[in-house]
Amino acid sequence: AQKITQTQPGMFVQEKEAVTLDCTYDTSDQSYGLFWYKQPSSGEMIFLIYQGSYDEQNATEGRYSLNFQKARKSANLVISASQLGDSAMYFCALDSNDYKLSFGAGTTVTVRA
Amino acid sequence: DAGITQSPRHKVTETGTPVTLRCHQTENHRYMYWYRQDPGHGLRLIHYSYGVKDTDKGEVSDGYSVSRSKTEDFLLTLESATSSQTSVYFCAISAGGGEGSKQFFGPGTRLTVL
Repeated sequence: AQKITQTQPGMFVQEKEAVTLDCTYDTSDQSYGLFWYKQPSSGEMIFLIYQGSYDEQNATEGRYSLNFQKARKSANLVISASQLGDSAMYFCALDSNDYKLSFGAGTTVTVRA
Repeated sequence: DAGITQSPRHKVTETGTPVTLRCHQTENHRYMYWYRQDPGHGLRLIHYSYGVKDTDKGEVSDGYSVSRSKTEDFLLTLESATSSQTSVYFCAISAGGGEGSKQFFGPGTRLTVL
């Protein structure tokens, strides 16, 4: 059963603007982790940000922040001040405390100059 | 960058032939994984390993087997390749536990089964 849902197959964003990528998840575990990865057109998978289920503050890593709403089971990624190099596919993933990741189908982001 | 290599990087084979993909790490991480990536499906877990000779199935394990005889190497074998196994295969590693469960990925292997 799919545990991660990314409802936006593709998005366009203007350079220097912020963009929010949606991610909802399903787990009955109390302890879990949420991850975001970036996959540029070159194909590699790049780790961006991590949020633990018990973390009280939203995770931030540079221009990336994770809007974690536990009650809604959502973990949206916010990219601020978009750059052309942010054009890529973005994947949300869930670790239900079993060291295995379940990935969403991904969202393609295209940054326009 | 995490030290993960995959070989070969590209392979074209024919239906019914055996294929082995190799993943090698220099990080001494306990956990290793094989995923396949297909359009519209994200990455799906094939098999994973939680130690030498300790492996388990993922969600799409049919038609695949794995072996891990050393910490640094994790092999994925397609016993008799089929066209449905045409995909991009990624190996990943993790140290395990909390943020340590974040996985680092190899560069991928593009496999085409004709």
